[in-house]
Amino acid sequence: EVQLFESGGGLVQPGGSLRLSCAASGFAFSTYAMNWVRQAPGKGLEWVSAITSGGGSTYYADSVKGRFTISRDNSKNTLDLQMNSLRAEDTAIYYCARDPGVVPIHYLDYWGQGTLVTVSS
Amino acid sequence: EIVLTQSPGTLSLSPGERATLSCRASQSVTGRYLAWYQQKPGQAPRLLIYDVSTRATGIPDRISGSGSGTDFTLTISRLEPEDFAVYYCQHYGSSPKTFGQGTKVEIK
Repeated sequence: EVQLFESGGGLVQPGGSLRLSCAASGFAFSTYAMNWVRQAPGKGLEWVSAITSGGGSTYYADSVKGRFTISRDNSKNTLDLQMNSLRAEDTAIYYCARDPGVVPIHYLDYWGQGTLVTVSS
Repeated sequence: EIVLTQSPGTLSLSPGERATLSCRASQSVTGRYLAWYQQKPGQAPRLLIYDVSTRATGIPDRISGSGSGTDFTLTISRLEPEDFAVYYCQHYGSSPKTFGQGTKVEIK
């Protein structure tokens, strides 16, 4: 069974940093691209970032480019999102989601339950 | 970047009725790169349909997708109690993946 479990969310002050992690199990993690998608409270879905299966290429939404960094450790089956210079508008539930291909150009077939990030003073 | 506009914002229907949800793209979608997701309160989104009309694993055949070009439709032929939720369309095939703003299907 495919399972994705996010952790690392919490309360952080504006300008601060936070690192999210996603632990994957139940599938060959190293052969799938991965994504982060967020959802602000009461709002819709926003794609944030993606990474190829081998980690060699990364992609970002304009709203987070230069502030967030996606990475993965295929030896540990984990996906990370380093978030710096956080703003109030980054407040959201962050989901990790699997892309059924080696490059992240597909739909998202499995999602974790999400971790809440709150940026507030 | 393709912008997706969903309508209506809210659909009020009774169990057993037919639901028709629309997703309109700002430019033609190539390669059939259009998906639909369902989200219930407090839960993660769940993939329903990909490549415009292919049902994901375990999705019942009362749920179907159709469309081409800029106009796409998700149809639920007979609403079951578990179908009342928010539905999102998504374009993929390039970066950034974009989502529509969602349609809420509520019990009338």
